[in-house]
Amino acid sequence: QVQLVESGGGVVQPGRSLRLSCAASGFAFSTYTMHWVRQAPGKGLEWVTVISHDGSNKYYADSVKGRFTISRDNSKNTLYLQMNSLRAEDTAVYYCARDVTEQWLPHLGYFDYWGQGTLVTVSS
Amino acid sequence: QSVLTQPPSVSGAPGQRVTISCTGSSSNIGAGYDVHWYQQLPGTAPKLLIYGNSNRPSGVPVRFSGSRSGTSASLAITGLLAEDEADYYCQSYDSSLSGSLFGGGTKLTVL
Repeated sequence: QVQLVESGGGVVQPGRSLRLSCAASGFAFSTYTMHWVRQAPGKGLEWVTVISHDGSNKYYADSVKGRFTISRDNSKNTLYLQMNSLRAEDTAVYYCARDVTEQWLPHLGYFDYWGQGTLVTVSS
Repeated sequence: QSVLTQPPSVSGAPGQRVTISCTGSSSNIGAGYDVHWYQQLPGTAPKLLIYGNSNRPSGVPVRFSGSRSGTSASLAITGLLAEDEADYYCQSYDSSLSGSLFGGGTKLTVL
């Protein structure tokens, strides 16, 4: 069955960096577009970033553009989120989510599988 | 403006019908992009509830239905059950953002 398992969350000081990982199993990871979505404590869902199946296309939310980088290693079935220059407002549970589309069709995408999330707390 | 607007909360008694609206703009729903809905039970990850405006994934009860018209979409839940108490989110694509967009979420309370 499809499984997405995030890791790498924790407490980090403002201005520091953190890298999240999402280990995928149960499906052909290398053929799917993947996303990161976050949820601040007590708040709603916020889409963060997307990457195409081969890593050649990436989009970011304005709130993280220039600070976060999405990447993937298809040989390891793993999705990454490198987060630099972290701010208090980046505090959230970060979910990786599989896009239903296997081709690069971002306008058609939605999320059919989600991980359990990993909590990132940015605090001094 | 790239925003999907949902009511913060709705409520209904068991057995009743409730609807949750999702209002967008010409760069998302109004541009013809599909709307999808997610259910998030307390302390859990979101779950896909409706895709492509009105389609239910396997396993989602027929009590849940969706529709889209113009710049808005709606989720309807009939025959409310206590287990339906959750947060519900709409999602679409926004051409001005070149990315996905979620509504602010609606908390459903079953009285």
